[in-house]
Amino acid sequence: QVQLVESGGGLVKPGGSLRLSCAASGFIFSDYYMSWIRQAPGKGLEWVSCTTSGGSNMYYADSVKGRFTISRDNAKNSLYLQMNSLRAEDTAVYYCARHWGSGFAFDIWGQEAMVTVSS
Amino acid sequence: QSVLTQPPSVSAAPGQKVTISCSGSSSNIGNNYVSWYQQLPGTAPKLLIYDNNKRPSGIPDRFSGSKSGTSATLGITGLQTGDEADYYCGTWDSSLSGGMFGGGTKLTVL
Repeated sequence: QVQLVESGGGLVKPGGSLRLSCAASGFIFSDYYMSWIRQAPGKGLEWVSCTTSGGSNMYYADSVKGRFTISRDNAKNSLYLQMNSLRAEDTAVYYCARHWGSGFAFDIWGQEAMVTVSS
Repeated sequence: QSVLTQPPSVSAAPGQKVTISCSGSSSNIGNNYVSWYQQLPGTAPKLLIYDNNKRPSGIPDRFSGSKSGTSATLGITGLQTGDEADYYCGTWDSSLSGGMFGGGTKLTVL
């Protein structure tokens, strides 16, 4: 079935790095834009970054620009988020999500990856 | 504080109708499509509405979406206790070249 499975979350110290992965299955991964979205504990949704279907264009929220890098490997049906210079405020559940429709919408979400930034 | 403004909470009785507003600006809602999500506790968000007013397969027609100018609205009719959840609007901002979500609205079915 159509699904996204995330991995790579964990506990990291401030200033450290972490790489999230998202494995897609059940659909033609290379046909879709993909995004990372996060949710801090008890807070609302925050869009983090997205990449076009071919991976040639990437966009970032101001809060992560210059620190996070989104990438994809269409041959491996995988999406990645490299997170550097992590801060306490990056602590959140991270979702990868498939874009749907003509605009900003997400129909398939990963099961979540928890990232905790703490000393 | 989110650029997209939603009421923190709304409530209504079972069987009734409720609307949730999402207010933005010309650079986001005014010139881009809006989507709506339902998030039950401890679960990933679920897409309810995309492209302002379209429902994905499997979403009942009790859920509807509309947009006028720089505001969008989610409507839910025939409220059920299972509709108690957090609801979020989302859209792209052309000036920021980035996506955004509203702060979320907690729906209570009394």
